[in-house]
Amino acid sequence: GAGVSQTPSNKVTEKGKYVELRCDPISGHTALYWYRQSLGQGPEFLIYFQGTGAADDSGLPNDRFFAVRPEGSVSTLKIQRTERGDSAVYLCASSRTAQPTDTQYFGPGTRLTVL
Amino acid sequence: AQKVTQAQTEISVVEKEDVTLDCVYETRDTTYYLFWYKQPPSGELVFLIRRNSFDEQNEISGRYSWNFQKSTSSFNFTITASQVVDSAVYFCALSRTGNTPLVFGKGTRLSVIA
Repeated sequence: GAGVSQTPSNKVTEKGKYVELRCDPISGHTALYWYRQSLGQGPEFLIYFQGTGAADDSGLPNDRFFAVRPEGSVSTLKIQRTERGDSAVYLCASSRTAQPTDTQYFGPGTRLTVL
Repeated sequence: AQKVTQAQTEISVVEKEDVTLDCVYETRDTTYYLFWYKQPPSGELVFLIRRNSFDEQNEISGRYSWNFQKSTSSFNFTITASQVVDSAVYFCALSRTGNTPLVFGKGTRLSVIA
């Protein structure tokens, strides 16, 4: 079956611009997670959704970052006034439920470069 | 606070050698879950294993085995008879019951040379 997909695969933008990153989870998965992976580091948690609501957004670095999942499926991570430090690979994962016994399946990521 | 430490940044072995990747974790929870993920050059994280804190039995899956020791807060991963296809970055991760986001270590880059 189809896995988690993310678009675009690469995004290059200029400092100060607004960007949107999209995640399509595995069909039927109610939990959706966003992580950020900087070069040479492990993924760092940003936010996760259970259905349409954000269950935990404690990992968002500041108020320039926002994410939505209006219909409980596709999610969009939005970054305002991008900064060079936002450059990273943004990973999305989904799981059948938010229980830790359900495996999180990761997408290929979106590589964001802020010039 | 939860923390995962993978002290080995890079390991290089010759094909058919055995290799162990170390993982040490910190948590104040009595119930928690430990994971290993593989990130091949393509970039997509692949789930390998999950253990809960109440199950200290070692596990073997083909050439892969995992050694979980609560006494030393370690969850080490051994690849037996390594192959070139095992070359990847391997991440150890931790989550707590009721709060499922994963806390990852920095990863260990394994290079298997033919």
